[in-house]
Amino acid sequence: QKEVEQDPGPLSVPEGAIVSLNCTYSNSAFQYFMWYRQYSRKGPELLMYTYSSGNKEDGRFTAQVDKSSKYISLFIRDSQPSDSATYLCAMRVNTGGFKTIFGAGTRLFVKA
Amino acid sequence: DADVTQTPRNRITKTGKRIMLECSQTKGHDRMYWYRQDPGLGLRLIYYSFDVKDINKGEISDGYSVSRQAQAKFSLSLESAIPNQTALYFCATSAGLAFDNEQFFGPGTRLTVL
Repeated sequence: QKEVEQDPGPLSVPEGAIVSLNCTYSNSAFQYFMWYRQYSRKGPELLMYTYSSGNKEDGRFTAQVDKSSKYISLFIRDSQPSDSATYLCAMRVNTGGFKTIFGAGTRLFVKA
Repeated sequence: DADVTQTPRNRITKTGKRIMLECSQTKGHDRMYWYRQDPGLGLRLIYYSFDVKDINKGEISDGYSVSRQAQAKFSLSLESAIPNQTALYFCATSAGLAFDNEQFFGPGTRLTVL
């Protein structure tokens, strides 16, 4: 069983839709939760990160962590064609290690 | 991102050949990493280095070696390439701070082993 599971998609939505991207994980020691965005032919770039449980908002993006369910989400409001990319969740433990575990990534297409 | 550069960007080689992928960074970061990305498997860590004298194996280091020539340079070698090493390879750096969550990735090298 993978430590981090992420549906690869693809997910296709119309412009303006609310997008929900999700990951589940098995290691209860994970404390930092990150979302990276990767455009075609580019390296991933950090979009948001949260520590422990709760929500974090940044413009049209909201990251949500539910540690009791071992489930994290990224919501994109008013999605734009420029949001079309692969979104990778990533997570790591707080202390004693730096190793970041990445999900497989979900491909998102936002149609104009 | 020009702060982390990788050469070559694309490479096609044959089974058994030795290949070196190079990574340079101008971010002044101490930590550097090599990952490979395969469809459906995400990013998997091959090797990482916290400073010039520190080299560590990641989860899939077999068949690979690395060299940290300077703080800014980290090379990945495939001593004898095989077809299942066909993948997208990324170099990344991070600052090594207490809450070191952001890794900065290069543009990737697409390697094909025939």
